Amino acid sequence: TQLLEQSPQFLSIQEGENLTVYCNSSSVFSSLQWYRQEPGEGPVLLVTVVTGGEVKKLKRLTFQFGDARKDSSLHITAAQPGDTGLYLCAGETQFYFGTGTSLTVIP
Amino acid sequence: KAGVTQTPRYLIKTRGQQVTLSCSPISGHRSVSWYQQTPGQGLQFLFEYFSETQRNKGNFPGRFSGRQFSNSRSEMNVSTLELGDSALYLCASSLSRGPGELFFGEGSRLTVL
Repeated sequence: TQLLEQSPQFLSIQEGENLTVYCNSSSVFSSLQWYRQEPGEGPVLLVTVVTGGEVKKLKRLTFQFGDARKDSSLHITAAQPGDTGLYLCAGETQFYFGTGTSLTVIP
Repeated sequence: KAGVTQTPRYLIKTRGQQVTLSCSPISGHRSVSWYQQTPGQGLQFLFEYFSETQRNKGNFPGRFSGRQFSNSRSEMNVSTLELGDSALYLCASSLSRGPGELFFGEGSRLTVL
């Protein structure tokens, strides 16, 4: 079982603040994905990281894959209310999703 | 291009009943996966179907079953419903097996009374 622990579980911040969400595991992954789920909808893929140490940027979102490919982080700069949602990481088999981080950005 | 369609969107059942949920994947997608999402347990994998064959199964009791048809549409069935089966059931499709992008439907919200 490839367990993915995410932290924090809940995060409530003011618009304009920065934040980082973490996804950690004791297992090594060949790739890892991040999804965002908005209320009433299914998760939507944000990014896939495949190389240890890789950094990918998607506008104000920066994703990093750990050198050992056991962990990943998501950093959001200048958060906006539209960033509100549940952020999920998933291992390459996609059978195991992380525990999720529920983000609320207050205007 | 139509997305993944799940029906029904909402349903209420009582304990002991059974339920069937339907998922129509994106046209051309042959892999369909099912997940159960609850506040306490998060998103948990139920099973994956590819070309009408169940390829992988999560750690759920035998009351949870599924199937896939030749047109890639999939159904999942839960028999002898329990209160703890109340959840959002999500279906996701992808082009093929392996680490590709999952496209999720909006889910079927099941409430068991």
